[in-house]
Amino acid sequence: KAGVTQTPRYLIKTRGQQVTLSCSPISGHRSVSWYQQTPGQGLQFLFEYFSETQRNKGNFPGRFSGRQFSNSRSEMNVSTLELGDSALYLCASSSLTSGTDTQYFGPGTRLTVL
Amino acid sequence: SQQGEEDPQALSIQEGENATMNCSYKTSINNLQWYRQNSGRGLVHLILIRSNEREKHSGRLRVTLDTSKKSSSLLITASRAADTASYFCATIRDGGSQGNLIFGKGTKLSVKP
Repeated sequence: KAGVTQTPRYLIKTRGQQVTLSCSPISGHRSVSWYQQTPGQGLQFLFEYFSETQRNKGNFPGRFSGRQFSNSRSEMNVSTLELGDSALYLCASSSLTSGTDTQYFGPGTRLTVL
Repeated sequence: SQQGEEDPQALSIQEGENATMNCSYKTSINNLQWYRQNSGRGLVHLILIRSNEREKHSGRLRVTLDTSKKSSSLLITASRAADTASYFCATIRDGGSQGNLIFGKGTKLSVKP
């Protein structure tokens, strides 16, 4: 099976712009989660989607949004970018068929905000 | 907010030595997982231990869990240069969703050949 893919892998934007990141989960996985990783704050949970519904949202401002499509692919959007949004954004998928499902992570999208 | 705290923050050892990393967490958990990350890349799942388990092995990895102390340790035996990476513990709160992992800040392991 192909792993989790994320596009683009690298992105450079300027303050005030918006950005959309994409994640394709492992085939058959219906759960997709997003995480932000920065040197200062570490790995922080952004959102979790299951069957096109947002199940959980982390403590991030409303500028961060996401969605999941019927094929389980997910996108996250950050509007009005700030310098502090520079981070590695990681997507993870799982099947959620049992109580101990592993999350499989993609390689991440490195976002730099100038 | 971070659930887990790993220590040490950084660890440097020689190839062949054992590496031990510790993780503490704050709330009741469903399970605890360890992940590895190579230099700013994606996370790789290493091992999961359930809250009713005390010890688990996988190859050169040994994980222990002490729910009374809210702590876990990861032991890598006979380390190799390829084990150089950052290691993170992650928890799911008791009753929490599987897709909402709470990560510690990680231990950066350097294995010198």
